[in-house]
Amino acid sequence: DTEVTQTPKHLVMGMTNKKSLKCEQHMGHRAMYWYKQKAKKPPELMFVYSYEKLSINESVPSRFSPECPNSSLLNLHLHALQPEDSALYLCASSQGEIQGVRETQYFGPGTRLLVL
Amino acid sequence: AQSVAQPEDQVNVAEGNPLTVKCTYSVSGNPYLFWYVQYPNRGLQFLLKYITGDNLVKGSYGFEAEFNKSQTSFHLKKPSALVSDSALYFCAVRDSNTGGFKTIFGAGTRLFVKA
Repeated sequence: DTEVTQTPKHLVMGMTNKKSLKCEQHMGHRAMYWYKQKAKKPPELMFVYSYEKLSINESVPSRFSPECPNSSLLNLHLHALQPEDSALYLCASSQGEIQGVRETQYFGPGTRLLVL
Repeated sequence: AQSVAQPEDQVNVAEGNPLTVKCTYSVSGNPYLFWYVQYPNRGLQFLLKYITGDNLVKGSYGFEAEFNKSQTSFHLKKPSALVSDSALYFCAVRDSNTGGFKTIFGAGTRLFVKA
């Protein structure tokens, strides 16, 4: 099973709302990722968690707050977003072992976010 | 710095004809190269990867890719295209400088297969 699930599939929120995106995998992977993807563009890395610890933050604005409660779950908390934050948010996971460069990242279907 | 280039924004091919989607790379050290496909409003699906070994890598859905070290290329190929292959294709390289956590994607190539 190489499935990464994401909820919700779609989300519409106002600029004053607080919402959360959820990602789950049961492949025993220890690295989990958040990406942002604009239409017809490649995904842009936002955050990486390795063994439930934040490993990479690509200078993402603080209105995006990641959380990794356990090895299977990854959340992205959203607060006071801007319309330009509207995008497809993708979660991914990989084994997270030492030979990380050889690992395949498995992506979820994404959450399409619209900020009004 | 690691980078990948996909020189074609779009590739058009007739169903049943062979297809090629081009990718060139620039890395320091050994290249770890990947191809992903993305269908509309979906996440990325892994097709294949080159780590080491045979230069011809076989992947999902009948796709294969040829690694060419001298030309620093990793072109995606399929002998006979299907209409259902129409999608956005990304070539990618893993950044060994960050423990492999960063994936550097090309800009993407949109493939249209006409019936």
